Amino acid sequence: AQTVTQSQPEMSVQEAETVTLSCTYDTSESDYYLFWYKQPPSRQMILVIRQEAYKQQNATENRFSVNFQKAAKSFSLKISDSQLGDAAMYFCAYRSPIQGAQKLVFGQGTRLTINP
Amino acid sequence: DGGITQSPKYLFRKEGQNVTLSCEQNLNHDAMYWYRQDPGQGLRLIYYSQIVNDFQKGDIAEGYSVSREKKESFPLTVTSAQKNPTAFYLCASSIAVSSYEQYFGPGTRLTVT
Repeated sequence: AQTVTQSQPEMSVQEAETVTLSCTYDTSESDYYLFWYKQPPSRQMILVIRQEAYKQQNATENRFSVNFQKAAKSFSLKISDSQLGDAAMYFCAYRSPIQGAQKLVFGQGTRLTINP
Repeated sequence: DGGITQSPKYLFRKEGQNVTLSCEQNLNHDAMYWYRQDPGQGLRLIYYSQIVNDFQKGDIAEGYSVSREKKESFPLTVTSAQKNPTAFYLCASSIAVSSYEQYFGPGTRLTVT
């Protein structure tokens, strides 16, 4: 079974600076999807960024980018120019492409605090 | 506005009572999901449904039941058999079960005393 590990329960960063959240996963599959979700205090889960494992290029969405290291099974999220609105819980998630295995496997989450 | 609605936002029940959580979507999505979130943990899948009148157990289905009589609706019943029902419950949907992107509702916080 796939597992996702986020080793940083909490992180903090000064406003306007850059922060990187770590995520590692364990799988025997060669093709899969990885995601970062944001959960603000409202508790609504919001998709931040996704990465297909077959793509070598790291995904980027505005100030959010990932460092996908397939061999190391690592999928970190970099937030540039941090803003107060970025404060939230961040969850890394894995999804298998196999029919019948349709679920997201989530890590434990990292709470990100932005210091003004 | 298209989206997923979960009601109510907060729900309180006495131990031993069954309770049903509502989830409605107007995104015309085929697939719907229920997740449970506990403090300090990520989300865990309870049930999912690929199409109307079909649903599959997730990782923690014991003590829960679902129905999918309409495409837009996927209610979750927390039965008295669920040992630790107090949690935050999130409903999600996707265009198809093969779609990689799931959209989440605002969640329901269930407290059982």
